[in-house]
Parts: sequence; structure tokens; C-alpha cells
Amino acid sequence: GAVVSQHPSRVICKSGTSVKIECRSLDFQATTMFWYRQFPKQSLMLMATSNEGSKATYEQGVEKDKFLINHASLTLSTLTVTSAHPEDSSFYICSASSLSGGSFEQYFGPGTRLTVT
Amino acid sequence: KNEVEQSPQNLTAQEGEFITINCSYSVGISALHWLQQHPGGGIVSLFMLSSGKKKHGRLIATINIQEKHSSLHITASHPRDSAVYICAVYNTDKLIFGTGTRLQVFP
Repeated sequence: GAVVSQHPSRVICKSGTSVKIECRSLDFQATTMFWYRQFPKQSLMLMATSNEGSKATYEQGVEKDKFLINHASLTLSTLTVTSAHPEDSSFYICSASSLSGGSFEQYFGPGTRLTVT
Repeated sequence: KNEVEQSPQNLTAQEGEFITINCSYSVGISALHWLQQHPGGGIVSLFMLSSGKKKHGRLIATINIQEKHSSLHITASHPRDSAVYICAVYNTDKLIFGTGTRLQVFP
């Protein structure tokens, strides 16, 4: 299957700082990327959907000014958590899909564990 | 009521046992995804299916569109199968996730 990478895999930052997480599709062009958040022992929660070259669509309750998403190319999307607080500590997962060939299957990255101290 | 329900929530098994995890959904779907999440957190796609049955190694997934139900079977289970198994359905262009089934297989 297609490969999606995330960087970093783990990050610890101080409260008030900003953290950038990268999501890359390594062997295909991702027309759409999705950002999810997962709390311990809970399911994935969709935060936003981004299409290459356009603004991200955020889910209800997700602050767009706090979670900045950029999808500048067909292989890279970034999520920046601005002015991070301890309650932002979570596991962030991206996925990527490509409409080429008519398939909308999502391929998941390995996730990034963010701890805000 | 969740749009995607999985059962059981937790499952323990002895190595070698046949395992079944069920998924029922209440929305219209274009396809259904079975995912595996290991303790480290990474998610692996096991199957994506929209009808019938798929098999890969010891894993079998079936779906009944009329009954809005899917099952994931693991034959000859092994401790390395211990993970959380997540059913997710494609509704329009988004995935709706079940709450997952935590499987532990003991030697």
C-alpha cells in the first residue's frame, strides 16, 4: 500500500510555544490530506480536511487559528499547533488520499505524540 | 447512538483461537475500512471493501451491505495480533470511526 510519513514521531514542548508536524505522502500524490486527533483509549477525531492549494476545512469545534494547516504541495501537509497548552497534548495522525484511479482510500501516517509541559 | 458500532469492545483469546469482531453501521456508505492500531499508535490498513469478502493471510473481512454489517475474522490467532481493531466507514468523503475492539491474544 501507499506510504505516508509523519515527522516528528514524538515532540515535547513548553506551554506557549508552537509546534509543527509534517505529513508526507512518499510514493503518491495526495490530493487530499486529513488531520486527526486521538485521546487515550478513544477513537480518531477528524480535525480538518485539506486539499492541495486551498484552505483547509475545519470540523466544528476545531479552532482554525490554533491549528494551522498548510497543504502547499501534493506530497506535504503541515499542522502547526500554535501557543500550545497542556490540553493540546494528544496523538495527532494524518492520512492522505488520492483521487487518481477513482480510489478515495485513505492511507495513514504513523502519528505524532505531542506532550505540552 | 454511534453511527458505527463495534463489538465486542474488549476481547481476550488464547493463541490459536478463531476470532470474530463485528461492525454495524447506520449510515449510507461507499466503502468500509478495517484498521489495526498497535500500542505504539501507528495505524495499518487491513482491508477496504464495499461488497463480499476479502482475505489476506489469516485475516478475512466480510460485508453485508443490505444488513449494514461487517465482520473481521482472524484465524489461528497469535500474540502478535494483539492490537486495537477499528472499523471505519466512508460516508461521502469522510471516514466515520467505530470505537475500536481491543484484542489481546495470550500464548
